[in-house]
Amino acid sequence: DQQVKQNSPSLSVQEGRISILNCDYTNSMFDYFLWYKKYPAEGPTFLISISSIKDKNEDGRFTVFLNKSAKHLSLHIVPSQPGDSAVYFCAASARTGNQFYFGTGTSLTVIP
Amino acid sequence: DTEVTQTPKHLVMGMTNKKSLKCEQHMGHRAMYWYKQKAKKPPELMFVYSYEKLSINESVPSRFSPECPNSSLLNLHLHALQPEDSALYLCASSPWGASDEKLFFGSGTQLSVL
Repeated sequence: DQQVKQNSPSLSVQEGRISILNCDYTNSMFDYFLWYKKYPAEGPTFLISISSIKDKNEDGRFTVFLNKSAKHLSLHIVPSQPGDSAVYFCAASARTGNQFYFGTGTSLTVIP
Repeated sequence: DTEVTQTPKHLVMGMTNKKSLKCEQHMGHRAMYWYKQKAKKPPELMFVYSYEKLSINESVPSRFSPECPNSSLLNLHLHALQPEDSALYLCASSPWGASDEKLFFGSGTQLSVL
């Protein structure tokens, strides 16, 4: 059973606009969430994370929002750039276990 | 050095071959992982080593055999694979026990089994 879900397999956005990628999880034990970016034939690279004690974390153009009651997180990219075109995975862990559970990914295309 | 290095980048093997995938990190991380990823699917955990001991084996078939010779190296020995084992094999490492624990991935080995 998929504990972390990304319901949008793909997203297209114009350059300069905001990209919003969504992620839902089912396990209430998850307390740490991460976003990874992946280009074809490469390994995922870490983008940004958030602990369950926060509801927002910002790093440059990237902001992650966490809504614990809804078991939902989102990644905002502002402004979007063509180089942001990649597959984005969200991941979750319960820190006692050190296991990371990945969502199915959202393929983002930023149109110049 | 924040890299996880995997070799080879590409591998084609027959179903009777024996081959090994290699992974190395020099970040002082105490946990190393093997993931398998098929196209348009999330990375799927296979094995976790923590402090050079196998701590998680996600019911992986015995034709995949992991080995952790030391804290910097991780191998995956392959024998008698099936065509459905063709995938991108990703190695990752993490500090283990850090408050901001995260995985650092290598670029992967694209494996094709004929």
